[in-house]
Amino acid sequence: QKEVEQNSGPLSVPEGAIASLNCTYSDRGSQSFFWYRQYSGKSPELIMFIYSNGDKEDGRFTAQLNKASQYVSLLIRDSQPSDSATYLCAVNRYGNKLVFGAGTILRVKS
Amino acid sequence: EPEVTQTPSHQVTQMGQEVILRCVPISNHLYFYWYRQILGQKVEFLVSFYNNEISEKSEIFDDQFSVERPDGSNFTLKIRSTKLEDSAMYFCASSGGGGQTGELFFGEGSRLTVL
Repeated sequence: QKEVEQNSGPLSVPEGAIASLNCTYSDRGSQSFFWYRQYSGKSPELIMFIYSNGDKEDGRFTAQLNKASQYVSLLIRDSQPSDSATYLCAVNRYGNKLVFGAGTILRVKS
Repeated sequence: EPEVTQTPSHQVTQMGQEVILRCVPISNHLYFYWYRQILGQKVEFLVSFYNNEISEKSEIFDDQFSVERPDGSNFTLKIRSTKLEDSAMYFCASSGGGGQTGELFFGEGSRLTVL
């Protein structure tokens, strides 16, 4: 079982729609959860992190965490073509090591 | 805005040669990391460094790899005797409070091509 699983996509949404990205993790001891965005050939860029069950909103982005289901999601409202990228879910149990999923490719069509 | 800087942006080397990748973390950060990403694959943890010593390393980080903070600003990754499978993008990252409570800031990466 992969430690962090994501649907590779691509997920295609029209401009202005809500994009929903999902991630599951295997280690129940995981403590903190991160969403990074990675444009092709570029480095990961942090979008959001979440530690507690529930929702966390930041602008057009909402992260959702359900530890009982070992599930993290990212919602992007009013999707823009510039949101087209690979979205990486990363999980931390303790210490300093982030475990990344393989990422979901998002394509926003104008 | 503070940023993590990495050099070189691209290095081409022959198999068996040694390479050193350099990073300047964000100045007030305490934790430093190296990750790598083979083309088309996921970002993989290599090593974390705190208080002048390795705090955690992955199975990938074997004896051919070493890290060093030779002065107050640079953080280096040395790969001895490079192999073809070492070809990847290597990302340096830093954080203020560790991965648990602080977010990682990544540099733009150093692309290593081993021929």
